[in-house]
Amino acid sequence: AQSVTQLDSQVPVFEEAPVELRCNYSSSVSVYLFWYVQYPNQGLQLLLKYLSGSTLVKGINGFEAEFNKSQTSFHLRKPSVHISDTAEYFCAVSDRAGNTGKLIFGQGTTLQVKP
Amino acid sequence: NAGVTQTPKFQVLKTGQSMTLQCAQDMNHNSMYWYRQDPGMGLRLIYYSASEGTTDKGEVPNGYNVSRLNKREFSLRLESAAPSQTSVYFCASSGRDRGYSYTFGSGTRLTVV
Repeated sequence: AQSVTQLDSQVPVFEEAPVELRCNYSSSVSVYLFWYVQYPNQGLQLLLKYLSGSTLVKGINGFEAEFNKSQTSFHLRKPSVHISDTAEYFCAVSDRAGNTGKLIFGQGTTLQVKP
Repeated sequence: NAGVTQTPKFQVLKTGQSMTLQCAQDMNHNSMYWYRQDPGMGLRLIYYSASEGTTDKGEVPNGYNVSRLNKREFSLRLESAAPSQTSVYFCASSGRDRGYSYTFGSGTRLTVV
């Protein structure tokens, strides 16, 4: 069985500061990894994903994440945040070998960007 | 615009009432999913359908049923609603065209009183 742990429930940060949202996963098989963002009162949209290849993945809105297999982590980073990045962020994992595509989500991290 | 359409957006039910949440996708995806979102718990999988004609239980299936009506449509039914089913429900679909990432609907906010 797979699981995902997002290590911070809330991350407050000032505008233009760097931010890291931490995600660790547990799985006995190879995985695909995803980060989704949910703006207030909206559905979720994909930020970035790791399927294979380079462990540094770039996504939309200047976000990037690094897959670290030895530490089973997939932390999300942005060098300079904007007020508009205030949202909830979800890390998710799926089984590469399975054909269901089902995602297991973490509990979410609320990013609060202050002016 | 291609995507996932959920109806209704809001619903208030009395305990014991039944209802069906509708979901349709127009991206020709094989797989569809129903999740519920509760504060501090992320999204939890209720049921999924890996392909037309198949459905399987997820993490929290109790109190729910699903129907994969055809490749486009995947409905979620609450037979006898309970206050514990107050939540925001999301439908999603996935396929190879999007690199197995999900496309989500806009959600249904359900309150059971």
